[in-house]
Amino acid sequence: EPEVTQTPSHQVTQMGQEVILRCVPISNHLYFYWYRQILGQKVEFLVSFYNNEISEKSEIFDDQFSVERPDGSNFTLKIRSTKLEDSAMYFCASKKGPWDNEKLFFGSGTQLSVL
Amino acid sequence: QKEVEQNSGPLSVPEGAIASLNCTYSDRGSQSFFWYRQYSGKSPELIMSIYSNGDKEDGRFTAQLNKASQYVSLLIRDSQPSDSATYLCAVIHVNFGNEKLTFGTGTRLTIIP
Repeated sequence: EPEVTQTPSHQVTQMGQEVILRCVPISNHLYFYWYRQILGQKVEFLVSFYNNEISEKSEIFDDQFSVERPDGSNFTLKIRSTKLEDSAMYFCASKKGPWDNEKLFFGSGTQLSVL
Repeated sequence: QKEVEQNSGPLSVPEGAIASLNCTYSDRGSQSFFWYRQYSGKSPELIMSIYSNGDKEDGRFTAQLNKASQYVSLLIRDSQPSDSATYLCAVIHVNFGNEKLTFGTGTRLTIIP
């Protein structure tokens, strides 16, 4: 089965530093998402992205966050100035089409630790 | 705020028995419902989807949907130790054509050998 690839698997950073989390969605997919999961809590929607622009974002996705698809294959999440509370597992996901019965494929996640 | 509610558990079930997991959702306009399995430290894995009222069976898994009661359930028959995981209920909300998958907090299931 095709896979969504995320790198790095673990990222440790100092508070206030910028981090970029990288994702390679499945090649023929057009819809891309970032979710996060703080330890012991639920999986939370951050942002959806289609046709090189944000479709929807949650209240969590403030001005410190940005997403980009710089080269047609990578899909990145940037956190400009990390806070302790940004420590979480970040999941990238993608799917082929807009229909809600399309399967959403998740990457294996990047565990971000902010010290 | 669109909510998806689950009993966090833990739910302990003997091996070979039926595990029953429940979920309620607040948005009456929701149309698509999913059950994901998540092992500790791993990403969610889709195991069932259901879109219309009634039952849907796939192997040992049966999803049940009752839109009038805003209730979704998952039954796991002949439970195996490998079924021990957190089960996430998820619902799609559509807002001006943009869809968002909203997860519940998950129910931790332990199958006792």
